[in-house]
Amino acid sequence: NAGVTQTPKFRVLKTGQSMTLLCAQDMNHEYMYWYRQDPGMGLRLIHYSVGEGTTAKGEVPDGYNVSRLKKQNFLLGLESAAPSQTSVYFCASGELLNTGELFFGEGSRLTVL
Amino acid sequence: RKEVEQDPGPFNVPEGATVAFNCTYSNSASQSFFWYRQDCRKEPKLLMSVYSSGNEDGRFTAQLNRASQYISLLIRDSKLSDSATYLCVVSRGAAGNKLTFGGGTRVLVKP
Repeated sequence: NAGVTQTPKFRVLKTGQSMTLLCAQDMNHEYMYWYRQDPGMGLRLIHYSVGEGTTAKGEVPDGYNVSRLKKQNFLLGLESAAPSQTSVYFCASGELLNTGELFFGEGSRLTVL
Repeated sequence: RKEVEQDPGPFNVPEGATVAFNCTYSNSASQSFFWYRQDCRKEPKLLMSVYSSGNEDGRFTAQLNRASQYISLLIRDSKLSDSATYLCVVSRGAAGNKLTFGGGTRVLVKP
């Protein structure tokens, strides 16, 4: 069972470089999310999508862009990486309606030098 | 003040002992509450929802105190495999963008 798959798992960037994180889910979920996790900060929502072709800003959207061209995929882009974007990024999907269950990918560890 | 606050720990627990910890939330409009478990360098996974009347799932008991705005998690007969970080999650509505995660409480169960 694949569930939610993120690529790449690890990446090192130099300041100013760009990159895209790919998230794919095979559970036919409408909702998809990108979070970042930093020590002591908990998971913070970057952007989210409530369906194919839709995206919206979360708590910490600055410096990131997203696209949801296909229902199963949610891309997170960093146009000009900064050291403050060094973090672990988690993609999640779900069909919430108060069940509260999100299904997370394994995470992508990004270091910006 | 953070919207959801947890004692980061670690809580060092002898195997077989009971451990309990709380999570406080600041938004009185919060509707739903959950505990997630996150193993070291792994993704979070839903452990259990927290219902108003309290609920159990095996060795795990969750409680909600709306008056004092906190939820709790109790683990009985701790196993080595219970070592993890426990994330408190509070929801202000049905959509996923309304979820707020706490920073987590780390539990270390030792032989």
